[in-house]
Amino acid sequence: NAGVTQTPKFRVLKTGQSMTLLCAQDMNHEYMYWYRQDPGMGLRLIHYSVGEGTTAKGEVPDGYNVSRLKKQNFLLGLESAAPSQTSVYFCASSLGLDGGELFFGEGSRLTVL
Amino acid sequence: AQSVTQLGSHVSVSEGALVLLRCNYSSSVPPYLFWYVQYPNQGLQLLLKYTSAATLVKGINGFEAEFKKSETSFHLTKPSAHMSDAAEYFCAVMEYGNKLVFGAGTILRVKS
Repeated sequence: NAGVTQTPKFRVLKTGQSMTLLCAQDMNHEYMYWYRQDPGMGLRLIHYSVGEGTTAKGEVPDGYNVSRLKKQNFLLGLESAAPSQTSVYFCASSLGLDGGELFFGEGSRLTVL
Repeated sequence: AQSVTQLGSHVSVSEGALVLLRCNYSSSVPPYLFWYVQYPNQGLQLLLKYTSAATLVKGINGFEAEFKKSETSFHLTKPSAHMSDAAEYFCAVMEYGNKLVFGAGTILRVKS
């Protein structure tokens, strides 16, 4: 049982380049999330989705775009990468029930030079 | 908006000693509270959660946490630390829309 899978796991970009992170879940979850983790700041929500075809902004959405064309996939895009976007990115999914657990992927480490 | 404060970015204990990781939250409604653990180069794994049932919540690996409304706290404890407990621990509160708001994290070091 794969759970939440993120690709790629590592990526190095130059400033101004674009890229897409892919998140796939096989648990038939309605809700999906993208967080970034930075030292001393915990995890901060970038964007999330409450169902196929829907997306919403989180706490730190600037510089990112997302799409949820299929229920099982949630894509995070960086159109013009900046060094401030160097971070570890985590995808998560949940059933969307009150108090329900979020299941996390193993993370994608992005470095922007 | 909900928020979470974890006191102590680093905690060091000896193997076999009590583990106490502190978490205070701010919430305008009865909260759902979570503790997650992150081992090096891995994702987050749920340790335990409070969802307004029993105030003392037992989790995996011998951890437990007590919800204290009067103190707005949800501290994590384990009676006897093991080397394998070394990790980063995150407290989180769930806000409207089933989104988690995380604290800054506490890195637990276990000394032999």
